[in-house]
Amino acid sequence: DQQVKQNSPSLSVQEGRISILNCDYTNSMFDYFLWYKKYPAEGPTFLISISSIKDKNEDGRFTVFLNKSAKHLSLHIVPSQPGDSAVYFCAASTYNMLTFGGGTRLMVKP
Amino acid sequence: DAGVIQSPRHEVTEMGQEVTLRCKPISGHDYLFWYRQTMMRGLELLIYFNNNVPIDDSGMPEDRFSAKMPNASFSTLKIQPSEPRDSAVYFCASSFRGEGNTGELFFGEGSRLTVL
Repeated sequence: DQQVKQNSPSLSVQEGRISILNCDYTNSMFDYFLWYKKYPAEGPTFLISISSIKDKNEDGRFTVFLNKSAKHLSLHIVPSQPGDSAVYFCAASTYNMLTFGGGTRLMVKP
Repeated sequence: DAGVIQSPRHEVTEMGQEVTLRCKPISGHDYLFWYRQTMMRGLELLIYFNNNVPIDDSGMPEDRFSAKMPNASFSTLKIQPSEPRDSAVYFCASSFRGEGNTGELFFGEGSRLTVL
């Protein structure tokens, strides 16, 4: 039973436009949510996180929104750049354990 | 400052052979995790250690998989005997857990295993 789901395996966006990556979860005990970015042949790297007591966290071009009632979070990248092309993993934390979604491959076209 | 170091980066072996993957966590981190990435399942947790002690190995697929952490700076993941369905990228990650910590993990670059 997948507790964290990323229903879109891939997303293609034009450079300069907004990228929106979505993530759904089922466990209401999750207390932190994180996004990781992964380039080919590299390990995932931390991108941004949000506490379950907040609904928005912003860091430069990256903003994460959390809707607890819907058990949904999203990552917005504005403006998207070709260097943002990577696989993005959503992760949720409870009792200091991370559960990952299946990932979404973002392709930003020049 | 060195990150999580994994070896080998690539391993190609034949079915039935023993495979050993190695990991050196970031110094001072007290948690170590082994993950496997596949197309079908994404990133799945296999096992994790706290202060060198295995805490949860419920993600280990079967008895062919074993992991050890003899000291704070070294861990191994062993597959014996290996099978083609074990082909995947295996990631090691470490973290330091403190008050207010979000649970951020620091990943190694992964070991890509191909079992023929």
